[in-house]
Amino acid sequence: KAGVTQTPRYLIKTRGQQVTLSCSPISGHRSVSWYQQTPGQGLQFLFEYFSETQRNKGNFPGRFSGRQFSNSRSEMNVSTLELGDSALYLCASSPGWDSPGNTIYFGEGSWLTVV
Amino acid sequence: AQSVTQLGSHVSVSEGALVLLRCNYSSSVPPYLFWYVQYPNQGLQLLLKYTTWATLVKGINGFEAEFKKSETSFHLTKPSAHMSDAAEYFCAVTLNTGNQFYFGTGTSLTVIP
Repeated sequence: KAGVTQTPRYLIKTRGQQVTLSCSPISGHRSVSWYQQTPGQGLQFLFEYFSETQRNKGNFPGRFSGRQFSNSRSEMNVSTLELGDSALYLCASSPGWDSPGNTIYFGEGSWLTVV
Repeated sequence: AQSVTQLGSHVSVSEGALVLLRCNYSSSVPPYLFWYVQYPNQGLQLLLKYTTWATLVKGINGFEAEFKKSETSFHLTKPSAHMSDAAEYFCAVTLNTGNQFYFGTGTSLTVIP
């Protein structure tokens, strides 16, 4: 079974630009969540989607947005990039959303550098 | 609010020695607790998880963790460290529903030959 696939793996953007990251969950998984990992802030939850609906949102500005498609694939977008957005963006998938104690499975991440 | 605290951002052990990585949680309800490992330039891999069945949980690669409610702890141990165990380890907690995880700040494990 293929794991969580994230594209692109590495990218460099300029301040003010926008970026879109893609995530394909494990086959059969319908929940996709996104995390930002930085040396200073650690792993922080961005948002979670299930059945094309955002179920939870972390404490990030509105420049960070996401969506989920009918095939459970998800994208996240960051507009008006700032230097502080440089991070590893991790996508995680899970079979469901409303069962307690779900395990989430991570992709290898997308490394974003903003210059 | 949910949170986890990992004591010691860096831990060094000799090859063959006991590994002990500490995690304490703060939760107003019985939590679901996890340990993940991250190797360089990779995503997070599940080591083990606690879901209210047994207090001692066994995971992959010889790791185990003991849930102690009285101490609000979920420390990770391995009897004998191997060079391949060198990585970053994260403790995490989640609520009863939804997949919003709260991660600790991580512990970097170095194994000395």
